[in-house]
Amino acid sequence: DQQVKQNSPSLSVQEGRISILNCDYTNSMFDYFLWYKKYPAEGPTFLISISSIKDKNEDGRFTVFLNKSAKHLSLHIVPSQPGDSAVYFCAASTGTDKLIFGTGTRLQVFP
Amino acid sequence: DAGVTQSPTHLIKTRGQQVTLRCSPKSGHDTVSWYQQALGQGPQFIFQYYEEEERQRGNFPDRFSGHQFPNYSSELNVNALLLGDSALYLCASSWGQGDGYGYTFGSGTRLTVV
Repeated sequence: DQQVKQNSPSLSVQEGRISILNCDYTNSMFDYFLWYKKYPAEGPTFLISISSIKDKNEDGRFTVFLNKSAKHLSLHIVPSQPGDSAVYFCAASTGTDKLIFGTGTRLQVFP
Repeated sequence: DAGVTQSPTHLIKTRGQQVTLRCSPKSGHDTVSWYQQALGQGPQFIFQYYEEEERQRGNFPDRFSGHQFPNYSSELNVNALLLGDSALYLCASSWGQGDGYGYTFGSGTRLTVV
């Protein structure tokens, strides 16, 4: 049972444009959502998070939107840069519980 | 400041053997969580250790066991290895209960079972 889903395995975006990565979840008990970025041969690094009491959180070029009624969240990267090329994982938790990860989306930003 | 250190980085084992993976948490962190990332999948939670005890466990068989030492470092042991155990094993450390926000991941140990 995949509680967190990232239906797009890959995304290719031109440098300077917006990248939008999507994530859907099924467990309504999730109250905290995170995005991680992973480069090859490195562990995932925390990017941005959002609590279920909010619908938007912004940090520089990165913005996460949460739509609880649709059980959907998205990560917007504006403007996209070649250094953003990586695998992005969406994760969810029930606060003090373990993280449940999606399968990841590979983002490629080309010049 | 050293982050999370995992050893070894790569490992090849034969089916049926046993393996031990090691993790040193980030300085100041007292909680260690282990994840398995199979090819093309996201990391899956194995278990979490706090105060030298297993606090939470994911849906993994008893062949997977762990330990946390007084210095907060941790080991992951897998017995009777199966081909399906081939994966990247990630260790994440945090302080306190670890809601994921304060997680720091290591670079992982790539285990190949042949």
